[in-house]
This record gives sequence, structure tokens and C-alpha cells, in this order.
Amino acid sequence: GAGVSQSPSNKVTEKGKDVELRCDPISGHTALYWYRQSLGQGLEFLIYFQGNSAPDKSGLPSDRFSAERTGGSVSTLTIQRTQQEDSAVYLCASSLSSGTPSYEQYFGPGTRLTVT
Amino acid sequence: QQQVKQSPQSLIVQKGGISIINCAYENTAFDYFPWYQQFPGKGPALLIAIRPDVSEKKEGRFTISFNKSAKQFSLHIMDSQPGDSATYFCAASSVSNYQLIWGAGTKLIIKP
Repeated sequence: GAGVSQSPSNKVTEKGKDVELRCDPISGHTALYWYRQSLGQGLEFLIYFQGNSAPDKSGLPSDRFSAERTGGSVSTLTIQRTQQEDSAVYLCASSLSSGTPSYEQYFGPGTRLTVT
Repeated sequence: QQQVKQSPQSLIVQKGGISIINCAYENTAFDYFPWYQQFPGKGPALLIAIRPDVSEKKEGRFTISFNKSAKQFSLHIMDSQPGDSATYFCAASSVSNYQLIWGAGTKLIIKP
């Protein structure tokens, strides 16, 4: 079956513009996660969805970042008034549920965002 | 207490050698310890995982060793191959928390 897909794969934007990143999780996966990965760095947790609800938004770096999920499926991460420090790879992952025993997170290929 | 400390940051191993990556944690509530493998331009993919009721788990050339008393776990790659060159992340989680706590990653290079 299809894995997690993300679009666009690459995005170059000017400082101050808004961007939307999309994630299509694996069908039937109720949990969805967004991470940010700067060059050569580890994964920085941004936000987690269980269904359409986001019980944990604690990782969002600022109020310029927001995310939503509709129909328990597709999620979009929006960054308003982009800054150069927002340049990174944004990874989306999904899992069957957020509880035991289905912890395994399946990742998409990421969206590489470059803010010029 | 939520941190997972991973070492080394980078590692170069000759083909056929053993690659060893270590992780340490503080939170004794953690009960799930996965290792993810990431190739350039790809998202991480689950490689192998262990729960604390066993001290070792082996899948092919990949072995996790788990030391509950020391709160440490490690990944061993036997007969390392150039195709194993990737970044490896350890992580930890607990049944009461959906969130994986990630190590900083180890960039592994296998020299032919």
C-alpha cells in the first residue's frame, strides 16, 4: 500500500511569505506527527494529531506556525511570515494509534523548505 | 529527564567491521526503544525495536542490547556494509506518552 506522502518535496520562498506544507498519512492511521529537521540535526517535534484533534502543540516554535487535520486524514502545516531560520526539512509521520502496541511511526520523505 | 543521549555523533567503520551506537536515558517509565535508519533525502524508517523485558534482540545483522539497570541501550551492526551508511536515531517512549523522545543521531559511514 501507499506510504506517507508529502508535498511539495521542495519549496523555496521569500522571507515574509506564507507557506503550506501537506501530508497524506497512511490510510487508517489515526495518529499524525509533524517534525522539523535542520541540516545534519535530529528531529524536533512540532505537533501531534489524534484524529482531527491536536492535543499537543507544545513543539510549535512560534505563533507563526499552525497545523490542521481534516477528516482524520490529510494534514497541512502552515508557516506565516516565513523567516530564514524556518529553513529545514519538515517531516510528517503517521501511526496506527498513539497508544501501545502500535508505536511505530511511518515517515514521509519530507518537504525541504528554503527561505531566501 | 525526558532526554535521550546518543553517541557518537559520527562513526567511520571499515567494511566487515562492527558498528556500535550507544544511547542513554533517564526516565525509568520508558518502555519502548526503537532505532530508526535515515538515508539522505528520505524520512527515517524503523529498523529494530526492543522492550525492557528482554536484554537483547537480533534481526539479521542488527542487534539491540539493552541494559535496564544502567539505563542504556545500543545498536550493533555486524559485518557492516557500505549500504549501511546512513544516519541512525535512537528513541524512547512510554505507554503513558504517545511522543517518541529522539536522540540526536549518528552519521555512520562504512568504508569499502
